[in-house]
Amino acid sequence: QKEVEQNSGPLSVPEGAIASLNCTYSDRGSQSFFWYRQYSGKSPELIMFIYSNGDKEDGRFTAQLNKASQYVSLLIRDSQPSDSATYLCAVSKGTGANSKLTFGKGITLSVRP
Amino acid sequence: DGGITQSPKYLFRKEGQNVTLSCEQNLNHDAMYWYRQDPGQGLRLIYYSQIVNDFQKGDIAEGYSVSREKKESFPLTVTSAQKNPTAFYLCASSYGGLETQYFGPGTRLLVL
Repeated sequence: QKEVEQNSGPLSVPEGAIASLNCTYSDRGSQSFFWYRQYSGKSPELIMFIYSNGDKEDGRFTAQLNKASQYVSLLIRDSQPSDSATYLCAVSKGTGANSKLTFGKGITLSVRP
Repeated sequence: DGGITQSPKYLFRKEGQNVTLSCEQNLNHDAMYWYRQDPGQGLRLIYYSQIVNDFQKGDIAEGYSVSREKKESFPLTVTSAQKNPTAFYLCASSYGGLETQYFGPGTRLLVL
């Protein structure tokens, strides 16, 4: 089982719809969970991070974490064509100076105008 | 402008050749990281450094070497021992937790 798994894509949604991106992880000791957006040919940029079970909202983005199910998701409301990108899920393990990120393969989202 | 710069944007390597990728930051961040991204894949950690003159291996350090002689600089050398070096290389830095990690623009390495 891979450490961080994301749905195979691509995912296509119409403009204005809710896009739901899912991620599972294998290490129950994982502590923090991150969602990055990466446009083609560019470097990743952090959208959201979450530490605690439940939901965390920031504008049109909501991250959801369920540690019991080892599941983290990202919801994008009112999807826009500019949201079309690859979304990477990442999980941290270790503490302090030894904490490191493990990334999933990413899922490509296409928002249709 | 504050930020992370990586050079060159594209780099070509011949067989048996060592090449060095540059990463410089003027953000006064203590920690720096090197990742590799293959097409359709996530990022994999090569090396990281939390402080000057100290660095640790990541998940795929074989065939790579780094130095951290200055806080601002963390160059990565891809040695001839790395048999499949073609990839997108990303440098990052952070000043606190991993949520503060920022990425540079990346260097794309191609083998001739």
